[in-house]
Amino acid sequence: DQQVKQNSPSLSVQEGRISILNCDYTNSMFDYFLWYKKYPAEGPTFLISISSIKDKNEDGRFTVFLNKSAKHLSLHIVPSQPGDSAVYFCAASAENFNKFYFGSGTKLNVKP
Amino acid sequence: GAGVSQTPSNKVTEKGKYVELRCDPISGHTALYWYRQSLGQGPEFLIYFQGTGAADDSGLPNDRFFAVRPEGSVSTLKIQRTERGDSAVYLCASSQTGFTEAFFGQGTRLTVV
Repeated sequence: DQQVKQNSPSLSVQEGRISILNCDYTNSMFDYFLWYKKYPAEGPTFLISISSIKDKNEDGRFTVFLNKSAKHLSLHIVPSQPGDSAVYFCAASAENFNKFYFGSGTKLNVKP
Repeated sequence: GAGVSQTPSNKVTEKGKYVELRCDPISGHTALYWYRQSLGQGPEFLIYFQGTGAADDSGLPNDRFFAVRPEGSVSTLKIQRTERGDSAVYLCASSQTGFTEAFFGQGTRLTVV
């Protein structure tokens, strides 16, 4: 039972343009969401998070948007850089859940 | 250390053997997680420690899997009678309290032949 879904396995974007990565979830109890970036042969690296009391959180080139009614979040990267090429995972949790549920990831390729 | 450290980085073992995977969390982090990642999938939860105790082991697939954290710092994931289906990357993560972002190690790639 996949509670967090990333329906696009891959995304290709030109350098300098916007990358938009999407994530859907099914459990309405989730109230904390995170994005991780993963390079080959490395562990996931925390990127940005958002609590359900907000609908937007921004950190430099990275912005996460949360639409609770649609159970949807997205990560925007502007402008995209070749070094952003990696697999991006979204994850969700709630305070008494003791775990993070991860999506299956989206592989982003930023072309120079 | 500065980050979460996992050893070994790679482990090849024969079917039926016993393996131990080690995790050194970030100093001071009370929460520690083990996840498993198969090819093309996201990390899948195995077990969560808060301090020395396993607060949630609901993700362990069967009784061949066991994990300990005796002093509330280093953790060891133990797999008995390994099977080829256990082949995956085993990820350890720690966080300050348990409801904040978790920081991952580089993982141990386990291959059962």
